[in-house]
Amino acid sequence: DIQMTQSPSSLSASVGDRVTITCQASQGISNSLNWYQQIAGKAPKLLIYDASNLEGGVPSRFSGSGSGTDFIFTISSLQPEDIATYYCQQYDNLPLTFGGGTKVEMK
Amino acid sequence: QVQLVESGGGVVQPGRSLRLSCEASGFTFSTYALHWVRQAPGKGLEWVALISYDGRNKYYPDSLRGRFTVSRDNSKNTLYLQMNGLRPEDTATYHCASLGFCINGVCRGVGLDFWGQGTTVTVSS
Repeated sequence: DIQMTQSPSSLSASVGDRVTITCQASQGISNSLNWYQQIAGKAPKLLIYDASNLEGGVPSRFSGSGSGTDFIFTISSLQPEDIATYYCQQYDNLPLTFGGGTKVEMK
Repeated sequence: QVQLVESGGGVVQPGRSLRLSCEASGFTFSTYALHWVRQAPGKGLEWVALISYDGRNKYYPDSLRGRFTVSRDNSKNTLYLQMNGLRPEDTATYHCASLGFCINGVCRGVGLDFWGQGTTVTVSS
């Protein structure tokens, strides 16, 4: 199985800050990576697919990059509504596997 | 609009069985592969099962194969998850979802995610 290592597990930032989350796959997955946002009590919402493609309707302050084993997710200017837990997930092969999540809190 | 509504969750004793359902609307159910994903309280996301659009192919993580069975009835637009021999560690919210995936380099549904809100299963004596 492909292991996804996500860091940090939590972070605290202020409105307007740039936030960066990293995700490392245990083997190469090309660009077969999603980033999800999960607000407490809700289902996950897809933000980015194919490592860098923004899902329709998602604000442009969210972005993703990377390929192979190393990936980065960025919120360019943190907004109050971005408080959530973020997950990376690989779909290069089964079983689908998720990173452990990054809880983003407001400072 | 696209909607997935799970049901069938509840409190069940260890060792017992439970069948979850996921009723779909707003899309052509019979053309979509579908998944189950679960989330234990306060924990991360775990993929549980995949079933092909026609129900012929089913996939599970090694840790669940043999206890969980996914099925579908395309005439009823409904997905199922039969869970046997339940354990306390199966306590979670179970979501049905359409997710992108690749098998042997062939990818389907990428970027076309949609999820149900989930049904909660508690395994406790």
